[in-house]
Amino acid sequence: DGGITQSPKYLFRKEGQNVTLSCEQNLNHDAMYWYRQDPGQGLRLIYYSQIVNDFQKGDIAEGYSVSREKKESFPLTVTSAQKNPTAFYLCASSMLASEAKNIQYFGAGTRLSVL
Amino acid sequence: AQSVTQPDIHITVSEGASLELRCNYSYGATPYLFWYVQSPGQGLQLLLKYFSGDTLVQGIKGFEAEFKRSQSSFNLRKPSVHWSDAAEYFCAVGAANFNKFYFGSGTKLNVKP
Repeated sequence: DGGITQSPKYLFRKEGQNVTLSCEQNLNHDAMYWYRQDPGQGLRLIYYSQIVNDFQKGDIAEGYSVSREKKESFPLTVTSAQKNPTAFYLCASSMLASEAKNIQYFGAGTRLSVL
Repeated sequence: AQSVTQPDIHITVSEGASLELRCNYSYGATPYLFWYVQSPGQGLQLLLKYFSGDTLVQGIKGFEAEFKRSQSSFNLRKPSVHWSDAAEYFCAVGAANFNKFYFGSGTKLNVKP
């Protein structure tokens, strides 16, 4: 089955700890994205990547880091500098280029909580 | 700057009643418009999209949306709501020449039996 897999589904972070959220896609999409979702605030873009080994900051990148070493994978690290990490994190992917393929597909999300 | 506004945070309708969820966007060029639905604790599922052509687009689960350029709106409609439609709905705008999307803050739909 083609799709986007996020793991783990639930994650707990201790004070001062870095944690990494996994996102893998087998859709052969070039672009990948990370969003943060808080109640009543919709989706806010953290980072996005249009090609391997390249990524750009979104609207709320502070306290987060990413890498894009493989086309299929776009892990997000929530660092200790992110003081309010409790949220639902969504990974998405999309094809580049033609308009017929410019649709974002989403994973099932990871809920991160602070212990 | 690009933005998407969903003015209704919560909407409650009776099962079998019609539904309209509002979406207004701000974008300088021709927008690409989307509606997504999210069940609790889940990711977003695409309901429908507008890229060009006919301004009334049909989607999955009996939903449709109409693009009105003069009003900068892309409202979602369904003639008869089912209890399973209870979820949160997000409107989004994107563009072909870059892969950044902007989402509204969502509308939570409750369905009364």
